[in-house]
Amino acid sequence: LAKTTQPISMDSYEGQEVNITCSHNNIATNDYITWYQQFPSQGPRFIIQGYKTKVTNEVASLFIPADRKSSTLSLPRVSLSDTAVYYCLVGDKDQAGTALIFGKGTTLSVSS
Amino acid sequence: DAGVTQSPTHLIKTRGQQVTLRCSPKSGHDTVSWYQQALGQGPQFIFQYYEEEERQRGNFPDRFSGHQFPNYSSELNVNALLLGDSALYLCASSVGQGPIDGYTFGSGTRLTVV
Repeated sequence: LAKTTQPISMDSYEGQEVNITCSHNNIATNDYITWYQQFPSQGPRFIIQGYKTKVTNEVASLFIPADRKSSTLSLPRVSLSDTAVYYCLVGDKDQAGTALIFGKGTTLSVSS
Repeated sequence: DAGVTQSPTHLIKTRGQQVTLRCSPKSGHDTVSWYQQALGQGPQFIFQYYEEEERQRGNFPDRFSGHQFPNYSSELNVNALLLGDSALYLCASSVGQGPIDGYTFGSGTRLTVV
């Protein structure tokens, strides 16, 4: 899996939009960008995945520029319950046997 | 639909002892992966079991071993425990060894070695 770089921590207030950027300069042609979210004392859970341009689901949006060397996870109007660690992973979406390689992630703290 | 179930949730062991952690995968999943997560770090891949065989292994010593049963459940065994083995151990299940967005994690077993 391609190496990723993301901020160690971010702070926000309830109701604000939060954007977490991930750098992946060595992304391969077949690689997708995948984000996992981990709440305290729980395992990570998949939240969104994309290949290019923009992907949106009920939880978040993922923006990927044309060169795909970075991506931005956008959380609209965060609440206290969005306090978690967010991990950016890059790898072949359909390749069987791909072990997930996690970095330290970005710790998002949301305050009231 | 039950997700991934891990037991026990917490465990305290003495240095040098052996420990066995258990995982039941999500219904319909046939592959189990184990991760170790130290405090403040991301999960680190230990190994993956598919069709009752170890298919991939991360950079962990032979003290870490595992097993997968015919019902797809799995055990993680750690021998000769060290203080540094204290961590949250996560089990993740998937269908057919992946793909990257297809993993479901359990809530983990918190192991403390004293």
